[in-house]
Amino acid sequence: EPEVTQTPSHQVTQMGQEVILRCVPISNHLYFYWYRQILGQKVEFLVSFYNNEISEKSEIFDDQFSVERPDGSNFTLKIRSTKLEDSAMYFCASSGGGANTGELFFGEGSRLTVL
Amino acid sequence: AQSVTQLGSHVSVSEGALVLLRCNYSSSVPPYLFWYVQYPNQGLQLLLKYTSAATLVKGINGFEAEFKKSETSFHLTKPSAHMSDAAEYFCAVTTGTASKLTFGTGTRLQVTL
Repeated sequence: EPEVTQTPSHQVTQMGQEVILRCVPISNHLYFYWYRQILGQKVEFLVSFYNNEISEKSEIFDDQFSVERPDGSNFTLKIRSTKLEDSAMYFCASSGGGANTGELFFGEGSRLTVL
Repeated sequence: AQSVTQLGSHVSVSEGALVLLRCNYSSSVPPYLFWYVQYPNQGLQLLLKYTSAATLVKGINGFEAEFKKSETSFHLTKPSAHMSDAAEYFCAVTTGTASKLTFGTGTRLQVTL
């Protein structure tokens, strides 16, 4: 069964460092998302991406965040200068649209720890 | 704007008992509603979805949910809890493919012997 894959599964970084989280969405999907979950809290929307551009972003997704689809398969989230409060589990998701309207398929997540 | 409210951050049931996890939604347009489950240290797995077809939706692992427009609810039920059902359950809403999925705060289900 097709799945969304994320790397790395866990990354530890120093405050102020740049981090790139990588995702390979399901191959025929058109809509891509990043969500995050701070430990013990709810899953929060960060950004959605369609047709090679951001379609929606939350107030969390400020200038230190960026997303990119550098080739036909990868979808990345970059955090330019990490802060302690960026420590969270980051989930990538993709959606195919059509009959599966609104149904997102999630990866296993990338745990980011900022020290 | 859309939102969901999950009543009860923690629910405990005995094995074999009925599971009822509550979710109420708010949406200015007809919503699509979902329940996701998250097992410890894992990602989110879709349990079931409502996308304007049948109001009673059956999902995996014996779970089902009923969309009630008059009550703006989408409660999740399972007739008989199993130990393996212990997890965090998230209700979520969207208004379409191009719209973000908004999650509730989650309900942690504990199943006791």
